[in-house]
Amino acid sequence: GNSVTQMEGPVTLSEEAFLTINCTYTATGYPSLFWYVQYPGEGLQLLLKATKADDKGSNKGFEATYRKETTSFHLEKGSVQVSDSAVYFCALSGSGGSNYKLTFGKGTLLTVNP
Amino acid sequence: GAGVSQSPSNKVTEKGKDVELRCDPISGHTALYWYRQSLGQGLEFLIYFQGNSAPDKSGLPSDRFSAERTGGSVSTLTIQRTQQEDSAVYLCASSPHRVRLAGYTDTQYFGPGTRLTVL
Repeated sequence: GNSVTQMEGPVTLSEEAFLTINCTYTATGYPSLFWYVQYPGEGLQLLLKATKADDKGSNKGFEATYRKETTSFHLEKGSVQVSDSAVYFCALSGSGGSNYKLTFGKGTLLTVNP
Repeated sequence: GAGVSQSPSNKVTEKGKDVELRCDPISGHTALYWYRQSLGQGLEFLIYFQGNSAPDKSGLPSDRFSAERTGGSVSTLTIQRTQQEDSAVYLCASSPHRVRLAGYTDTQYFGPGTRLTVL
């Protein structure tokens, strides 16, 4: 079945540091890939997505590129802010008839210190 | 516009009691999903509704769990005879379209969740 593996946290960075959160996946067919973010006390929000190989999703300074050859979708940001402190989830949706079902990684807690 | 709402936000119950969790999707969204977020298992898919029917119930962990959706809108997740392992945050999401086409990706919008604690 489908699975997502993301780097375990917690990750602690200083403001303006570079962020990478690794995500790799196992899936049949051609899944779509997502990063969701959960800020303290809030629900899951879609951060960015990519639907086919070599697509780059981007939002709020975050980027991730769909790499089919390495089955990866690593999240990056050049300069993090305190307000980026949250839990980040990598996810995929199945292809074909089950493309509604999201499979999530375990989540990575990011803390950014001033 | 209004997002997905869930109620109650917190529910504490005793082992063996039944609970009902409610989800109000974004108006006009035809697809609705329930997920469970627990410390041990992470985020797990439970059930998917398209309109009022549930073509995929494969994630429901046991027959104590059931869900229904009425009027293509509100959904209720019911857990009968709750157990301590049912303690988790139950998340509801909705999306606009019928997800049939290969390669089509329908963005899911999540509610804030209901935190269920079974004592």
